[in-house]
Amino acid sequence: SQKIEQNSEALNIQEGKTATLTCNYTNYSPAYLQWYRQDPGRGPVFLLLIRENEKEKRKERLKVTFDTTLKQSLFHITASQPADSATYLCASGFTFGKGTHLIIQP
Amino acid sequence: GAGVSQSPSNKVTEKGKDVELRCDPISGHTALYWYRQSLGQGLEFLIYFQGNSAPDKSGLPSDRFSAERTGGSVSTLTIQRTQQEDSAVYLCASSPAGTGSSYEQYFGPGTRLTVT
Repeated sequence: SQKIEQNSEALNIQEGKTATLTCNYTNYSPAYLQWYRQDPGRGPVFLLLIRENEKEKRKERLKVTFDTTLKQSLFHITASQPADSATYLCASGFTFGKGTHLIIQP
Repeated sequence: GAGVSQSPSNKVTEKGKDVELRCDPISGHTALYWYRQSLGQGLEFLIYFQGNSAPDKSGLPSDRFSAERTGGSVSTLTIQRTQQEDSAVYLCASSPAGTGSSYEQYFGPGTRLTVT
């Protein structure tokens, strides 16, 4: 079965810098990957979806890439702000990674 | 419009009791999912409903867990003879179509279940 792996350690980034989060998948290449944001005590909120045949997808300060050779998706937040601090989840269908906790320090 | 709602928001129950958790999906969404999330853990898939098709129950951890969806809308997750390891946040999500269509999932706020 598919596994989605994310670095579960907290990622500390200085405000204004670009935060890059990694999502690796095992086994078959999924048709698409999704990224969600989760704040404490709340359900995840959908951010972006990237399909297997897309190299890159952008939405405002967010960018997602999909590399089928590396079996990896990268999630970038440019010009990061303290309000971007949250846990970010990568998912394929109903298989979710454990998420990476991002902390943007002022 | 209204998002996914879940009730109750918190539930404390004694070991061995049965509990029912409710999910009201977004109107018109045909797909509905249940997950649970333990402290510091990722989302664990439990069950998936798509329209009138038989549900995908592959994620249910034991036969103490069951779920139904009435009229293609409201869903109830039932846990019988609760155990302490059932303590978690139970999240419901809905989407316009099933996973094969790659639609994003809209999550409710979750029900925090504590089994004492």
